[in-house]
Amino acid sequence: DAKTTQPNSMESNEEEPVHLPCNHSTISGTDYIHWYRQLPSQGPEYVIHGLTSNVNNRMASLAIAEDRKSSTLILHRATLRDAAVYYCILRDVMGQGGSEKLVFGKGTKLTVNP
Amino acid sequence: DAGVTQSPTHLIKTRGQHVTLRCSPISGHKSVSWYQQVLGQGPQFIFQYYEKEERGRGNFPDRFSARQFPNYSSELNVNALLLGDSALYLCASSFPPPYNEQFFGPGTRLTVL
Repeated sequence: DAKTTQPNSMESNEEEPVHLPCNHSTISGTDYIHWYRQLPSQGPEYVIHGLTSNVNNRMASLAIAEDRKSSTLILHRATLRDAAVYYCILRDVMGQGGSEKLVFGKGTKLTVNP
Repeated sequence: DAGVTQSPTHLIKTRGQHVTLRCSPISGHKSVSWYQQVLGQGPQFIFQYYEKEERGRGNFPDRFSARQFPNYSSELNVNALLLGDSALYLCASSFPPPYNEQFFGPGTRLTVL
């Protein structure tokens, strides 16, 4: 399984932008980069995904390096509700028929200060 | 809309016992995956079922088994429980690709004494 490397923890202030980095130097050409987050006492929640181009949605933006060996999840204005563990994941697709698994690392614990 | 539901919420068992955990996917989802999350770690993949067939298995012993029913709900069974099986067990459901998002339930907290 392709590996990702993330900082163990990061801290931010409310209303400020947050840039969460992820390194994935062994990424293959067909690996999608997914981000999930896990709020305390909840299951993981999908945030965003991308392949090569930068992506935006209502939750966040994903900036992907040109060589795809790293990416950055951007929260434009952090709120207290964004305090969570953020996981950067390379999607591993197994066989045919739509199978896939998610390989989680330890993620980055984001603390948002009021 | 109802999300992924799991039962029970919490469970306490003793070593050597057997446990069955249940998951109901979001309506219309045909794929269900199971993950184990030990305290302080990210979730680890156990199984995936799609259209009632096993499509993937993680690095877990044969004491772990699962199945998916015609209504796409799923059960995870663990036999001969060990202390190390204490964890949060998460179920996720999804549409097949090109849809990419997996929806996770709140999990079942299993404690083995």
